[in-house]
Amino acid sequence: SQKIEQNSEALNIQEGKTATLTCNYTNYSPAYLQWYRQDPGRGPVFLLLIRENEKEKRKERLKVTFDTTLKQSLFHITASQPADSATYLCALHTGGFKTIFGAGTRLFVKA
Amino acid sequence: EAGVAQSPRYKIIEKRQSVAFWCNPISGHATLYWYQQILGQGPKLLIQFQNNGVVDDSQLPKDRFSAERLKGVDSTLKIQPAKLEDSAVYLCASRLSSGSTDTQYFGPGTRLTVL
Repeated sequence: SQKIEQNSEALNIQEGKTATLTCNYTNYSPAYLQWYRQDPGRGPVFLLLIRENEKEKRKERLKVTFDTTLKQSLFHITASQPADSATYLCALHTGGFKTIFGAGTRLFVKA
Repeated sequence: EAGVAQSPRYKIIEKRQSVAFWCNPISGHATLYWYQQILGQGPKLLIQFQNNGVVDDSQLPKDRFSAERLKGVDSTLKIQPAKLEDSAVYLCASRLSSGSTDTQYFGPGTRLTVL
């Protein structure tokens, strides 16, 4: 069956460290993958998009990698700050432009 | 640029009652989505519109849920009758075009509690 898995356990890290979040999928062949940030009581906000033929994308302190062989995407936040505390969702986009979201990983950055 | 607007923000109803949610997408966005997000889960697509036509409603429980997008702009999502398991946040999102890799822009959601 088709599945998207993100770390269900919350990730707690110290300010200034790098946070690494994982998104694994099975039985999908995504055309591209996106990462979103969601704060409590709000809708998701788009952060980064990476296509199937791209290995890595960067935006300021954010970096996403995409390994279609391992069926995995990693999302990194370098020099993390307490303001980065949120839930991060990965979303796969299939050839039909259907969007399938993972359950998200909660990140807590302690000062 | 104004974002995606949704109302109401919160709704509490008894089971078997009906409820309606409203969404106003970003001006000019042809594609509109309704998602259901149960606590602790990711958003699950209920229905996707391209202008005023339905593109995908495969996960919409059609015996109780209905949605329309008259004139290809605003949209309403209705539940009748509601069940306890419908308690969730209902998110509306819009996108410039489903034929591109443009991102989706989400509204703040409507939190529904069914008692």
